[in-house]
Amino acid sequence: GDSVTQKEGLVTLTEGLPVMLNCTYQTIYSNAFLFWYVHYLNESPRLLLKSSTDNKRTEHQGFHATLHKSSSSFHLQKSSAQLSDSALYYCALSDTPFGVGDNSKLIWGLGTSLVVNP
Amino acid sequence: NAGVIQTPRHKVTGKGQEATLWCEPISGHSAVFWYRQTIVQGLEFLTYFRNQAPIDDSGMPKERFSAQMPNQSHSTLKIQSTQPQDSAVYLCASSSRGGGNQDTQYFGPGTRLLVL
Repeated sequence: GDSVTQKEGLVTLTEGLPVMLNCTYQTIYSNAFLFWYVHYLNESPRLLLKSSTDNKRTEHQGFHATLHKSSSSFHLQKSSAQLSDSALYYCALSDTPFGVGDNSKLIWGLGTSLVVNP
Repeated sequence: NAGVIQTPRHKVTGKGQEATLWCEPISGHSAVFWYRQTIVQGLEFLTYFRNQAPIDDSGMPKERFSAQMPNQSHSTLKIQSTQPQDSAVYLCASSSRGGGNQDTQYFGPGTRLLVL
């Protein structure tokens, strides 16, 4: 079945260094839709960015990710980590691409906790 | 727009007691999702309603968990005979359509359940 793998459970960085959180997925569908959600402490999880277009960079709030269907990856990156980036980051996959049924849900990775230190 | 509302925010129950969690989705959203969040398992999908109808409950523990959506403005998650391993943050989310594809899910603040 479909799955999402976030291989790092915890990433610890020093402020100013680049961020890269890994996300790979498996799906039988060619039109995968991938999402990154962020969960800050004492807030609700919210969408950070999403994409379904192969090899196109998607950006939001300083973060970016590019969906690479050839490697089934959607890694989250940022050029320079800030203390306020400390949060839990979830990668998710839509299990039914648009037009193929309407009862789809998201398949979630286990999440990566990012800790940015001064 | 008040966002997704969840009550209570915190609940402490004794082992064997019942816990009922409430969720009010964003007005106009047709899909409601329930998740359980723990450090070990991350974000676990429990169940999903669309237009009040149950669509997928594949993540629900079968024996003690149940969910309902009696009207478009609220959903409940009931846990009978709570056990310490049920301790978690229970998150509710809503989306304007099916929830997959390109629809953004909007999460509530969660209910932190502690079973002693």
